[in-house]
Amino acid sequence: QSVLTQPPSVSAAPGQKVTISCSGSSSNIGSNYVSWYQQVPGTAPKFLIYDNSERPSGIPDRFSGSRSGTSATLGITGLQTGDEAEYYCATWDNSLSAVVFGGGTKLTVL
Amino acid sequence: QVQLQESGPGLVKPSETLSLTCTVSGAFINSHYWSWIRQPPGKGLEWIGYVSYSGNTNYNASLKSRVTVSLDTSKNQVSLKLTSVTAADTAVYYCARHEAYFHPWGQGTLVTVSS
Repeated sequence: QSVLTQPPSVSAAPGQKVTISCSGSSSNIGSNYVSWYQQVPGTAPKFLIYDNSERPSGIPDRFSGSRSGTSATLGITGLQTGDEAEYYCATWDNSLSAVVFGGGTKLTVL
Repeated sequence: QVQLQESGPGLVKPSETLSLTCTVSGAFINSHYWSWIRQPPGKGLEWIGYVSYSGNTNYNASLKSRVTVSLDTSKNQVSLKLTSVTAADTAVYYCARHEAYFHPWGQGTLVTVSS
């Protein structure tokens, strides 16, 4: 059972928009920055979003992040088949003094 | 460009010690924090722990009694040792530079615990 809760799966058609939620508590998302990662099967996770909503260089603006209270959201617009992957959120947890990850969300582009 | 490469035995016997090395190029390890993260087959990511540029460490409480992460500045390497392993420690092990996020990551190395 992960400290951060993500939906196991989401799906949408090419060109559409999807959002992936990450729910936590005041000791983690509520008081620390959230980052997001994309993992294609068989490869290492790829850094997508940091500090809740910032995109590193090279990440297209189709990817966005936001945080509200104790939840964070990853948004992907203009879906492409290449976006099919597992997506993870992560943050620091003050109570655990540890990094915590969400359980991951599998995105299917139908 | 910072690059990380994990290396070590792919097979470890139960009750023995898992030892991995992360070789860093493009950055000095004594200027950043470095984490180890693992992923059991078909499962999600689990943070193992970090070592700071000064050698301070912080570990996942569930592994704290068995794990050591350290720096070898002469080789620009970060190491992971996990003692008394069981089948539950079978996973792909990643190292990553740790700021408020993880970037970059190594490609990962699969370690199987089996007799």
